Amino acid sequence: KAGVTQTPRYLIKTRGQQVTLSCSPISGHRSVSWYQQTPGQGLQFLFEYFSETQRNKGNFPGRFSGRQFSNSRSEMNVSTLELGDSALYLCASSPGTEPSTDTQYFGPGTRLTVL
Amino acid sequence: AQSVTQLGSHVSVSEGALVLLRCNYSSSVPPYLFWYVQYPNQGLQLLLKYTSAATLVKGINGFEAEFKKSETSFHLTKPSAHMSDAAEYFCAVRGSNYQLIWGAGTKLIIKP
Repeated sequence: KAGVTQTPRYLIKTRGQQVTLSCSPISGHRSVSWYQQTPGQGLQFLFEYFSETQRNKGNFPGRFSGRQFSNSRSEMNVSTLELGDSALYLCASSPGTEPSTDTQYFGPGTRLTVL
Repeated sequence: AQSVTQLGSHVSVSEGALVLLRCNYSSSVPPYLFWYVQYPNQGLQLLLKYTSAATLVKGINGFEAEFKKSETSFHLTKPSAHMSDAAEYFCAVRGSNYQLIWGAGTKLIIKP
């Protein structure tokens, strides 16, 4: 089976722009979680989707949003980019219904740089 | 509430020496515990997980971890470090609402 794929791998944007990141989970996985990883803050949970429904959201401003499609692919969007949004954005998929007890399979991440 | 503490943001060991990465947790529900590894410029990969079946859990690449309920610990060990073990290691515990609670990570440095 193919692993989790994320596109693009690298992205450079300027402040005020918006960005959309894409994640394709492993075939058959319906749960997708998103994380922001920075050197200072570590792994921060953004949100989790299951069968097109957002079941949980982390403590991020409303500029961060996401969605999941019927084929389980997921996108996250960040509007009005700030310098502090520069980070590695990781997507993970899980095979069952409970990502907090299942193994999570991570993609390689999208490296976002905001200038 | 659940939380995870990893002692030491950086741990340095010599090649061939014992690796010990510390993880302490708090959990109000029966814990599921995980160790993930992240190699440079890659996503995270599961090393091992505890699901209450056995207190000593063996993982990939020769790593193992022991669940100690009385100490609320889940430390990761490997008898003999290899250069290829250089990476960042994350401990995580089951949280609520479909979420894992993550430690801050420990970078393992292997000295030749």
